[in-house]
Amino acid sequence: NAGVMQNPRHLVRRRGQEARLRCSPMKGHSHVYWYRQLPEEGLKFMVYLQKENIIDESGMPKERFSAEFPKEGPSILRIQQVVRGDSAAYFCASSRDSNTGELFFGEGSRLTVL
Amino acid sequence: AQSVAQPEDQVNVAEGNPLTVKCTYSVSGNPYLFWYVQYPNRGLQFLLKYITGDNLVKGSYGFEAEFNKSQTSFHLKKPSALVSDSALYFCAVRDGGATNKLIFGTGTLLAVQP
Repeated sequence: NAGVMQNPRHLVRRRGQEARLRCSPMKGHSHVYWYRQLPEEGLKFMVYLQKENIIDESGMPKERFSAEFPKEGPSILRIQQVVRGDSAAYFCASSRDSNTGELFFGEGSRLTVL
Repeated sequence: AQSVAQPEDQVNVAEGNPLTVKCTYSVSGNPYLFWYVQYPNRGLQFLLKYITGDNLVKGSYGFEAEFNKSQTSFHLKKPSALVSDSALYFCAVRDGGATNKLIFGTGTLLAVQP
């Protein structure tokens, strides 16, 4: 039973380029959450999605960041025109529904912006 | 708004000694509380959760946590620490409303000395 799969695990981009991070939730899970972990900081919530719907994007920066979870395929976190401050570990988590409370996390995607 | 606080950035303990990692919470309504552990360059692993019921919750790897409503605390404990327990520990609380997102504390680095 595969867990939450994230790729790439490591991504290097130059300033101004685009970064795309992918997340496949656990089998049977239809709820996806993205978190960002900056060096020496905790995890900050970014966005919560269900299939084809953004439920809560209160933690997403207003510009350059977007997320989707299409009917088919993985969830995508997209960062346009990356800046050095975007360098962080981005974690995806999934859950079966919105009531169980427990989230299952992937191994993370570590973005480095040069 | 729901929140948790982890007052210690780091906890040092000798192998074989009991350990405690502190967490206090601030919620409106009934708290749903969680502990996760993160090993270097890895994702978060679920340890245990408190939803309702017994105040002492047992979890993975011999860890347990005590829910204390009067002190609004949910401290993580283990009777006998192992060197392999050295990791970053996060306390989290479920946000209210329609989402199941978790709000994380800033993390406590546990260092177990042999």
